[in-house]
Amino acid sequence: GDQVEQSPSALSLHEGTGSALRCNFTTTMRAVQWFQQNSRGSLINLFYLASGTKENGRLKSTFNSKESYSTLHIRDAQLEDSGTYFCAAPNTEGADRLTFGKGTQLIIQP
Amino acid sequence: GPKVLQIPSHQIIDMGQMVTLNCDPVSNHLYFYWYKQILGQQMEFLVNFYNGKVMEKSKLFKDQFSVERPDGSYFTLKIQPTALEDSAVYFCASSLDFYAEQFFGPGTRLTVL
Repeated sequence: GDQVEQSPSALSLHEGTGSALRCNFTTTMRAVQWFQQNSRGSLINLFYLASGTKENGRLKSTFNSKESYSTLHIRDAQLEDSGTYFCAAPNTEGADRLTFGKGTQLIIQP
Repeated sequence: GPKVLQIPSHQIIDMGQMVTLNCDPVSNHLYFYWYKQILGQQMEFLVNFYNGKVMEKSKLFKDQFSVERPDGSYFTLKIQPTALEDSAVYFCASSLDFYAEQFFGPGTRLTVL
């Protein structure tokens, strides 16, 4: 089965509101990356975490390797936050590759 | 943040032809990767590359695929010959170290007719 499970698959928010995206791992991961894929298809690096919590502007991410999950919180959502959000992780089986989740499609409405 | 460049942004070719996708990784990065994404779906790992050698490849990295980085120039993905199922967006990534943060290029959209 999938090693990286993202939820929800889609989310609609009104401007100014917030929510959380989640990534569950079925195996031990040593780190997690979060990306935003914008309307042009480009992948924007949001966070890289080996543990703990990081914050950047209106975004905050937490990685709990022991309980095998990561979250991405968005607050005060803006129209430009629309896009698909992916989490990805390198697993611990000796392979230097990222395994991606299927993404959360986020739509911000005025 | 660090920038990875990819050339071209779009490529349309006929099935059976050869295509080379070019990647200009972050200048001091040592590890390079190719990923494949079909129709905005899940990103899939193809191959990683370090010190002039392929370290690991997935089952998606068919025999028709090859990678190289001659003399520190572009990191390239060559497909010869192409097939219809090779149509996808190909993303290049690079990182400073093993298991370090990977930075992605904007992708090359390949259409095989």
